[in-house]
Amino acid sequence: DTGVSQDPRHKITKRGQNVTFRCDPISEHNRLYWYRQTLGQGPEFLTYFQNEAQLEKSRLLSDRFSAERPKGSFSTLEIQRTEQGDSAMYLCASSSPGRTYNEQFFGPGTRLTVL
Amino acid sequence: QKEVEQDPGPLSVPEGAIVSLNCTYSNSAFQYFMWYRQYSRKGPELLMYTYSSGNKEDGRFTAQVDKSSKYISLFIRDSQPSDSATYLCAMIHPILTQGGSEKLVFGKGTKLTVNP
Repeated sequence: DTGVSQDPRHKITKRGQNVTFRCDPISEHNRLYWYRQTLGQGPEFLTYFQNEAQLEKSRLLSDRFSAERPKGSFSTLEIQRTEQGDSAMYLCASSSPGRTYNEQFFGPGTRLTVL
Repeated sequence: QKEVEQDPGPLSVPEGAIVSLNCTYSNSAFQYFMWYRQYSRKGPELLMYTYSSGNKEDGRFTAQVDKSSKYISLFIRDSQPSDSATYLCAMIHPILTQGGSEKLVFGKGTKLTVNP
């Protein structure tokens, strides 16, 4: 399978715990995005990497959130001291430059439930 | 006011109907306009994109963009039960994004059910 993969697909945690999600983009894609989608809403942008550099972060990304892409391949998104409001689907997308437009390919998402 | 407005529905139609889905937007800098389809508990998948104003057709799907009205539409002809999903409009303003991210700005999505 050459699509974007995310792990885990589901995560249930208790408030105050830390969680980490992983995204493996399409292998030749150097751009990687994280979005968050809550129930009944469209995805909202969280952060963007070009290779290993994190070039943009949304105001939605509070201090409790951190994302890395250490070797320009896979990426991790960590949430510390989770809150119930963090419950959402976390989507990863990747794309490649040099196209007419930036087609982003999405993974299946990680659904987080904070109890 | 949100940058992209989309009626969340839900929308329920009989099989074979023509479906019209719409979004409005406020930022005239948007240049690329996409429609994504999202099945329940899955990631969005790109259906169609349009650059600037005009129409684009792909099989049973037609996308329209009217930049003067800041209004985009997706039409589905001969709708099928397999079209039942949430349809998300999304836009990019490539010039105004930091670091060249070209992040997508989504509408809320419209949930469509096509009944057999």
